[in-house]
Amino acid sequence: AQSVTQPDIHITVSEGASLELRCNYSYGATPYLFWYVQSPGQGLQLLLKYFSGDTLVQGIKGFEAEFKRSQSSFNLRKPSVHWSDAAEYFCAVVLGAGSYQLTFGKGTKLSVIP
Amino acid sequence: EAGVTQFPSHSVIEKGQTVTLRCDPISGHDNLYWYRRVMGKEIKFLLHFVKESKQDESGMPNNRFLAERTGGTYSTLKVQPAELEDSGVYFCASSLSVEQFFGPGTRLTVL
Repeated sequence: AQSVTQPDIHITVSEGASLELRCNYSYGATPYLFWYVQSPGQGLQLLLKYFSGDTLVQGIKGFEAEFKRSQSSFNLRKPSVHWSDAAEYFCAVVLGAGSYQLTFGKGTKLSVIP
Repeated sequence: EAGVTQFPSHSVIEKGQTVTLRCDPISGHDNLYWYRRVMGKEIKFLLHFVKESKQDESGMPNNRFLAERTGGTYSTLKVQPAELEDSGVYFCASSLSVEQFFGPGTRLTVL
């Protein structure tokens, strides 16, 4: 079955430390890939997306993600975490070809220690 | 430019009652989506409108859920009668193409 896996339910990092959130997908073809963030009391905000081309994509708030076809992964990274990055992060995919519904992973909750 | 708005932000109802959720998409966005997140689970697709037409309603859980988008502008999602398992956060999103913009969600609690 087609799926998106975020293996880490909860991650805690110290402010200033680097961050990597993992995402793997299970599809036959390369889908469109997204990372969204939900801060407390807020809606989902798009951090970055990958459709094609350069496999390292830059997003907002200093985040980047790298698409690795061989690993079916799209991991999210940030070199130095800020306390305001504490939120829940969702990886999502769209198959394309007229079907633009998003399929989400279960999310990773990020806590930041001052 | 205004983003996607949803009303109400919270709703608490009793089992068997009816609730109607509203979504106002970004102006000009023909695509409108509904998603739901049940506690502890992933966000799941419910349905997709293109203008006023239902493009894909494969994610609707059962016939207690009715979505409409009259005139191709705002959309409503009615749950009638509500059951305990309907509790969760209902998100609406709109788009011009692939990239979707989300509203803040409506938290529905069924007691």
